[in-house]
Amino acid sequence: KNQVEQSPQSLIILEGKNCTLQCNYTVSPFSNLRWYKQDTGRGPVSLTIMTFSENTKSNGRYTATLDADTKQSSLHITASQLSDSASYICVVIFTSGTYKYIFGTGTRLKVLA
Amino acid sequence: EPEVTQTPSHQVTQMGQEVILRCVPISNHLYFYWYRQILGQKVEFLVSFYNNEISEKSEIFDDQFSVERPDGSNFTLKIRSTKLEDSAMYFCASSEGGETQYFGPGTRLLVL
Repeated sequence: KNQVEQSPQSLIILEGKNCTLQCNYTVSPFSNLRWYKQDTGRGPVSLTIMTFSENTKSNGRYTATLDADTKQSSLHITASQLSDSASYICVVIFTSGTYKYIFGTGTRLKVLA
Repeated sequence: EPEVTQTPSHQVTQMGQEVILRCVPISNHLYFYWYRQILGQKVEFLVSFYNNEISEKSEIFDDQFSVERPDGSNFTLKIRSTKLEDSAMYFCASSEGGETQYFGPGTRLLVL
């Protein structure tokens, strides 16, 4: 069954600290993997997109990694800011005629001053 | 930058009533989607729509749900007889046909 699991479920860190969020998936055939940021009550906004051949991709203070062999991805946030408080969702896209989005359970991050 | 818009942002309804959630996809997009997120749970796919017909739907999308593109800009989700468990955030998304879907801000539906 195509599934995307994330850990931790929630995380609290102090402003300025770094953190790493994990994503494991069992999705096939794999097209690409995306990390989204979702503010409370808002729609998901794309942070990074990673294809099968990419190991690392950065977008400002966000760095995503992908290990397609072990089917794991991580999102590292550097020098966290209060505005980083949100849910971070790992989404794996696979193709089965059309492109299908499989959403992870999300990690709720809270950054404290 | 073009974006997907949804109205209303919040909707409160009585159980058994019909609701229509509206979405305006990005203008040159051809594929449209509805997703649902029950509070505290993950986002779930409901339905995809292309060329004026449903291309795919999940097991959640039963006979109480319907979608329509009544004109050239709007894409609607109708829930015929709402149930308490329909309370959720409903997201619309659109794409040109490639992998990237753009999500709207969502409509929060509360069924009492």
